[in-house]
Amino acid sequence: QQQVKQSPQSLIVQKGGISIINCAYENTAFDYFPWYQQFPGKGPALLIAIRPDVSEKKEGRFTISFNKSAKQFSLHIMDSQPGDSATYFCAARYTGNQFYFGTGTSLTVIP
Amino acid sequence: KAGVTQTPRYLIKTRGQQVTLSCSPISGHRSVSWYQQTPGQGLQFLFEYFSETQRNKGNFPGRFSGRQFSNSRSEMNVSTLELGDSALYLCASSSVAAAPDTQYFGPGTRLTVL
Repeated sequence: QQQVKQSPQSLIVQKGGISIINCAYENTAFDYFPWYQQFPGKGPALLIAIRPDVSEKKEGRFTISFNKSAKQFSLHIMDSQPGDSATYFCAARYTGNQFYFGTGTSLTVIP
Repeated sequence: KAGVTQTPRYLIKTRGQQVTLSCSPISGHRSVSWYQQTPGQGLQFLFEYFSETQRNKGNFPGRFSGRQFSNSRSEMNVSTLELGDSALYLCASSSVAAAPDTQYFGPGTRLTVL
């Protein structure tokens, strides 16, 4: 059973466009929601994260929108660049240090 | 500071064999978590160790085990390998004892079971 559901599986965006990746969860005990970026041959790296008492967090071109009542959160990448082409994972934390990850979204930004 | 290191980077084994993977966390980090990454399932949590004790465990069979040493280095063992165990195994370390916000991942060990 997938604790965190992520969509879409793949995404193709033109350079300068907005990339949007969505995640949904069921367990209301999750207390922290990070997004990770992974390049081929590398481990995931923390991109941006949010706590459930905040509805939006922005860091540069990356924004997380969080809807606690709907149990959904999304990553928006503004002005997408070819260097953003990577796999993105959403995650949710449970009981201290146990993280559940989405299945990933492969983003391709076309020049 | 050196990042999380994992050895070996690549491993080929046959069904029925066992394998041991190693992870050295960032200096000063006492929590080490292990994940299995496959194309269809994404990252799945295996277990977490803190101060040589397993603190959390995911939903994997008993063939998957681990341990942590006093210097926080961790090993993961998979016995009686199956074809479905082929995956990228990632370890992540974090510095704070309770509810850390940032996990730092290593590059992973690519295990292929033939």
